[in-house]
Amino acid sequence: NAGVTQTPKFQVLKTGQSMTLQCAQDMNHEYMSWYRQDPGMGLRLIHYSVGAGITDQGEVPNGYNVSRSTTEDFPLRLLSAAPSQTSVYFCASSYSRQGAYEQYFGPGTRLTVT
Amino acid sequence: TQLLEQSPQFLSIQEGENLTVYCNSSSVFSSLQWYRQEPGEGPVLLVTVVTGGEVKKLKRLTFQFGDARKDSSLHITAAQPGDTGLYLCAGETGSARQLTFGSGTQLTVLP
Repeated sequence: NAGVTQTPKFQVLKTGQSMTLQCAQDMNHEYMSWYRQDPGMGLRLIHYSVGAGITDQGEVPNGYNVSRSTTEDFPLRLLSAAPSQTSVYFCASSYSRQGAYEQYFGPGTRLTVT
Repeated sequence: TQLLEQSPQFLSIQEGENLTVYCNSSSVFSSLQWYRQEPGEGPVLLVTVVTGGEVKKLKRLTFQFGDARKDSSLHITAAQPGDTGLYLCAGETGSARQLTFGSGTQLTVLP
């Protein structure tokens, strides 16, 4: 199994540009999430999905869209990039084990918006 | 929004020393998870605790969940340079089982 894969690994955007960060998992997990990680702030939840066709907002959803047409894929779209969206983005999938949802993270996408 | 306060933020110690990292909140969590993250990589799950008062050991690492399920600690015995990394605690809550992460503890173990 490849686990959780993310592309691209690095991206530079100009303010106002749009792009899609790709995320795929091959573990048949129902639950997938997107986080952003900024220095000194840990990981913050952007959007999540509890299954194909079902998405919901996390703590910091503004400026981002998601969709979940299949169990495997969960892309994150930046509609109009802003410098405040410069961050490292992590996708995760999870399943229930021993009464908790344990997350498997991808390697991340480092995004710079100039 | 649940808040998880993690301390200390930075910790630099010599090989062989012991250390404890704390994760505190005013909220009750259904589970508390600890992750370790290396530079340029995603976090990797170390352990999950779900029962108040629960203690789990992973080699030289000991994890404890508070009785009220609001706090947790990670104790490392005889730290080694390979333990260097960013340690993150995360509390699970809500009907959708969302994770709230602490800000992390950057541990450096010097040889």
